[in-house]
Amino acid sequence: QSVLTQPPSVSGAPGQRVTISCTGSSSNIGAGYDVHWYQHLPGTAPKLLIYGNSNRPSGVPDRFSGSKSGTSASLAITGLQAEDEADYYCQSYDTSLSGSEIFGGGTKLTVL
Amino acid sequence: QVQLQESGPGLVKPSETLSLTCTVSGGSISDFYWSWIRQPPGKGLEWIGYIYYSGGTTYKPSLKSRVTVLVDKSKNQFSLRLSSVTAADTAVYYCARTSGCSSGSCYFGYWGQGTLVTVSS
Repeated sequence: QSVLTQPPSVSGAPGQRVTISCTGSSSNIGAGYDVHWYQHLPGTAPKLLIYGNSNRPSGVPDRFSGSKSGTSASLAITGLQAEDEADYYCQSYDTSLSGSEIFGGGTKLTVL
Repeated sequence: QVQLQESGPGLVKPSETLSLTCTVSGGSISDFYWSWIRQPPGKGLEWIGYIYYSGGTTYKPSLKSRVTVLVDKSKNQFSLRLSSVTAADTAVYYCARTSGCSSGSCYFGYWGQGTLVTVSS
């Protein structure tokens, strides 16, 4: 069981908006550590989508946005496209047991 | 453009040591954190640990007793050794490089394609 909790799956029709939540605790997100998001297509390398809660690397469309509040973070995708169908992971740092980077369990996005 | 490529045996016997190497091209290994991340079949990503180019390491606490990450600046490579493996260590192993760290958490902007390592007799 992951320290960061994500819904196993979300879905939406093309053009719609979806959000993916990432719920942590006082030893990670709630302690002030930033959250980062990755898109992962099977058989490929994960791709950094959002860093530092809400920043997009160069080349990532502005359809992708991130936010953080309290012990949770969210990834929003607007104008859903077929190519957005992938697994999405949040990542942060946790201070328990000497500290480590941690990933959420992942969310499968299905474009209907 | 920085590129990373994993290499190593695809099959390891239980109780033996898994050894992988990540070769970095298009940039120097002499900066940033260099990391290993794995994904067991049907499961999510799991961070294993990272090494700073100067040699300092941080490992996932639950794996710390079995993990060693080393850097070879002369070859622009870093490596993973995971001892006493079991079937639970079967996974796709990725090497990755941080692009930066913000508020205590580092993010990974460069990844290898991954290599499947199966633990089986």
